[in-house]
Amino acid sequence: QKEVEQNSGPLSVPEGAIASLNCTYSDRVSQSFFWYRQYSGKSPELIMSIYSNGDKEDGRFTAQLNKASQYVSLLIRDSQPSDSATYLCAVTSNTGNQFYFGTGTSLTVIP
Amino acid sequence: DADVTQTPRNRITKTGKRIMLECSQTKGHDRMYWYRQDPGLGLRLIYYSFDVKDINKGEISDGYSVSRQAQAKFSLSLESAIPNQTALYFCATSQGGNYGYTFGSGTRLTVV
Repeated sequence: QKEVEQNSGPLSVPEGAIASLNCTYSDRVSQSFFWYRQYSGKSPELIMSIYSNGDKEDGRFTAQLNKASQYVSLLIRDSQPSDSATYLCAVTSNTGNQFYFGTGTSLTVIP
Repeated sequence: DADVTQTPRNRITKTGKRIMLECSQTKGHDRMYWYRQDPGLGLRLIYYSFDVKDINKGEISDGYSVSRQAQAKFSLSLESAIPNQTALYFCATSQGGNYGYTFGSGTRLTVV
């Protein structure tokens, strides 16, 4: 079982819609959770972090964490074509020394 | 200037050659990491270091070695490159577990 799992997609949404990206993780001890955006050929860029159960909002982005169910999600409201990218979920290891990454979900926002 | 700089950006090398990828940072972070990214496999950890005297293997360290020359510099070496080491390599830095990584711009390595 992989430490972090994501649907690879591709996920396509029309411009202005809500995009929903999901991630599950296997280690119940994990404490910190992150979402990165990666454009093709570029390096991952941190867009959201969340540490407590519930929702965390930042602009058009909302991260949701449910530790009991071991999942974390990212909602993108009013999706724009510039949001088209691969989104990586990352979870800290039980020691906190490293992150485990999912394989990413490819999102395409259709104008 | 970028906070985390990787050199070279692109490299084509032949099987059996030794190659070094370099990473330097101006973030002042103690923690540095080397990852490789392959399509469908995501980012996989090769080595990480929390201090000049601290080097730790990641999940795929075989065939690689590292050197932490200073707090700001962390190099990755392929002693004898093989084609399945063709990948996109990223260096990353961090302040610690509750803080995310800052990635370098990556090195695209092709072994022929």
